[in-house]
Amino acid sequence: DQQVKQNSPSLSVQEGRISILNCDYTNSMFDYFLWYKKYPAEGPTFLISISSIKDKNEDGRFTVFLNKSAKHLSLHIVPSQPGDSAVYFCAAQGRSGGSNYKLTFGKGTLLTVNP
Amino acid sequence: DAMVIQNPRYQVTQFGKPVTLSCSQTLNHNVMYWYQQKSSQAPKLLFHYYDKDFNNEADTPDNFQSRRPNTSFCFLDIRSPGLGDAAMYLCATSRDLTKREQFFGPGTRLTVL
Repeated sequence: DQQVKQNSPSLSVQEGRISILNCDYTNSMFDYFLWYKKYPAEGPTFLISISSIKDKNEDGRFTVFLNKSAKHLSLHIVPSQPGDSAVYFCAAQGRSGGSNYKLTFGKGTLLTVNP
Repeated sequence: DAMVIQNPRYQVTQFGKPVTLSCSQTLNHNVMYWYQQKSSQAPKLLFHYYDKDFNNEADTPDNFQSRRPNTSFCFLDIRSPGLGDAAMYLCATSRDLTKREQFFGPGTRLTVL
């Protein structure tokens, strides 16, 4: 049973526009969420994260929004650039320490930014 | 640059022939993880080492073993690979179990003939 879902396998946007990638989760014990970016033939690279005590975290062109009541988070990229074209993975973790360190990943969304 | 290195990047083995995948890190992190990612699937944690303490996920098949001879190196051993074990294997590290961010290597793509 998938605890982290990325329902859009792919997304295509024009350069300069906003990209919005969505992620839903089912486990209410998750308290930390991360986005990873993956280029072909490379490992996932950490992009941005958010703790469940916040509803927004911003880093340059990247903003993550968390809606705990809906168990939904989204990654906004503004403005989108062709170099942002990659697979984006949403991941979740339980409470820090103990046995809740592990990352539970979604299946990923392939973002294509067209020039 | 501090990093996570995986060798080889591509590995081909025969059905039933043991294979070992290698991971090394220059980050001096205490925790090393092995994930399996099958085509179009989410990466799935197999096990991790916290220092020398090995922790297996409940649903990791017995066919998969791991060794960590020192802080820098960790190996994934597949004793008798089956066709279903063909996947990308990702190694990751974190400073310790309280630090949330994990750093990934480029992965080893395993093909089983």
